[in-house]
Amino acid sequence: AQSVSQHNHHVILSEAASLELGCNYSYGGTVNLFWYVQYPGQHLQLLLKYFSGDPLVKGIKGFEAEFIKSKFSFNLRKPSVQWSDTAEYFCAAMSNTGKLIFGQGTTLQVKP
Amino acid sequence: ETGVTQTPRHLVMGMTNKKSLKCEQHLGHNAMYWYKQSAKKPLELMFVYSLEERVENNSVPSRFSPECPNSSHLFLHLHTLQPEDSALYLCASSQRGDYGYTFGSGTRLTVV
Repeated sequence: AQSVSQHNHHVILSEAASLELGCNYSYGGTVNLFWYVQYPGQHLQLLLKYFSGDPLVKGIKGFEAEFIKSKFSFNLRKPSVQWSDTAEYFCAAMSNTGKLIFGQGTTLQVKP
Repeated sequence: ETGVTQTPRHLVMGMTNKKSLKCEQHLGHNAMYWYKQSAKKPLELMFVYSLEERVENNSVPSRFSPECPNSSHLFLHLHTLQPEDSALYLCASSQRGDYGYTFGSGTRLTVV
């Protein structure tokens, strides 16, 4: 069965530190990958997505993610985090049946 | 506002009550979804409706009963719930064939 796993459950960083959140998926076929963010008390918002082409995907708010097919990974990165990036981050994968499957989520806390 | 509206935002109900969650989308999408978000667990896909027809039921207990009267509205009818059903229930919509899901803000359900 298709699944998504996020290695870091809770990450604490200081402002200006670099961020990398791990995501691995298990699905052998064509897969579309997403990162969503959920700010406190708000709805899930799409940060970025990968369908095909350049494996380095740039999203909103300075985030980017790299698709590495050989590692089944789609890690999220940001060179310098801000206090406003404090949120929960979800990696998700969609199979060709259109189901969107989420990882457990990573809570990011950025200290000012 | 995301274009997907969920009501109520918060709901407290007893185990013998019957209540309903409502989701409405104003995006012209033809697929709608219910997800359950519990602490420390991945978002769980509960039901998928495509063109008002239920196409997926992920082994959800019968105390949860979805209804999709038209492509803009989705309900989740609740009866005789258990305390472990307390969670954030998220509705999402998409256009089948497209990969963008739009999420509502969710209903925070507490079963007492």
